[in-house]
Amino acid sequence: DTGVSQNPRHKITKRGQNVTFRCDPISEHNRLYWYRQTLGQGPEFLTYFQNEAQLEKSRLLSDRFSAERPKGSFSTLEIQRTEQGDSAMYLCASSLSGGGFDQPQHFGDGTRLSIL
Amino acid sequence: GQNIDQPTEMTATEGAIVQINCTYQTSGFNGLFWYQQHAGEAPTFLSYNVLDGLEEKGRFSSFLSRSKGYSYLLLKELQMKDSASYLCAVRGSGGFKTIFGAGTRLFVKA
Repeated sequence: DTGVSQNPRHKITKRGQNVTFRCDPISEHNRLYWYRQTLGQGPEFLTYFQNEAQLEKSRLLSDRFSAERPKGSFSTLEIQRTEQGDSAMYLCASSLSGGGFDQPQHFGDGTRLSIL
Repeated sequence: GQNIDQPTEMTATEGAIVQINCTYQTSGFNGLFWYQQHAGEAPTFLSYNVLDGLEEKGRFSSFLSRSKGYSYLLLKELQMKDSASYLCAVRGSGGFKTIFGAGTRLFVKA
């Protein structure tokens, strides 16, 4: 179990640039989640995949945000035309469905985005 | 709307017991999770409750009352390394979206 891996760990960019983050979930996990976390707050749900299907997306997510999971394995989160308010930690989590009860989510270490 | 409330900060002494409360109002209910998060690190899973009652796991226990929309996390024999944020999270019904509280920062002092 290598855990959930996120790249890059840190990203610093100028306002208006596009950024893309990658998440590699635990290999047998079919569910993948993206969250955003700012200082002093809990993770805020952005979107969720079951295999390659994006099943839920937060209404808070503007059109500048898009996520994909093309083969049901790794996922990417892209932010276009970044704004100051996008500065946050972006967390990815994965879990395994089934087993008669809800499985816990395993989180990656996150990508910290800083907008200059 | 959906809301999760937990105290912002708590302080306790090494070796003592501390109870962190969480109240929630969500669209349906499909389980409540507690996570621990050290500063600058990812959240790690502690416990899961879907039925009323107490779940015990070593020094950590979690309680749920669905009728009251209430849970608590009980930490026994506190250690300095338990200083962290504790996140209460609820999954509503009809989907897999999980709502997190803002977290309770626990400071353990010698």
